[in-house]
Amino acid sequence: KAGVTQTPRYLIKTRGQQVTLSCSPISGHRSVSWYQQTPGQGLQFLFEYFSETQRNKGNFPGRFSGRQFSNSRSEMNVSTLELGDSALYLCASATGTGNNQPQHFGDGTRLSIL
Amino acid sequence: AQTVTQSQPEMSVQEAETVTLSCTYDTSESDYYLFWYKQPPSRQMILVIRQEAYKQQNATENRFSVNFQKAAKSFSLKISDSQLGDAAMYFCAYHSYNNNDMRFGAGTRLTVKP
Repeated sequence: KAGVTQTPRYLIKTRGQQVTLSCSPISGHRSVSWYQQTPGQGLQFLFEYFSETQRNKGNFPGRFSGRQFSNSRSEMNVSTLELGDSALYLCASATGTGNNQPQHFGDGTRLSIL
Repeated sequence: AQTVTQSQPEMSVQEAETVTLSCTYDTSESDYYLFWYKQPPSRQMILVIRQEAYKQQNATENRFSVNFQKAAKSFSLKISDSQLGDAAMYFCAYHSYNNNDMRFGAGTRLTVKP
């Protein structure tokens, strides 16, 4: 069974640009969550999508948005990039939401803002 | 809001020895899940072990076991017979019962000495 796939693995952008990151969950998984990982703030929850609907959202500005498609694939978009958005963005998928099935993580997208 | 605290930024263990990583959390919920994930330099988050809060029995997975003290809100990870491949960042995570919003601790970097 293929794992969670995130593309691209690395991305370099400049301030003010926007970026879209992609996540393909494990086959059969309907929940996709996004996390931001930085040395200073650690791992922080961005949002979760389940059945194409955003179920939960962390404490991030509106520049961070996402969506989920009917095949459960998810995209995350960040607009008007700032230097502080440099981070590893991790996607995790699970069979459902709020159950005891663990989230499985992808390798992440390393975003660098110049 | 739930918070997770890992008070040991770094730990070191001799190969074949045993090490315990500490984790405490704060929550007002009675039902939840707790996880330990490891993140090697390859950066993929890998599930190590999980514990349902309603279960009194401590979870074990081969060389990995937990000491779950619900009243004390403590969830430590014990690694027995440490191996070089255990070297990684270890994250303790709190998972709410009703959604997939996981809260992570700051992590503990484990070094295994040959």
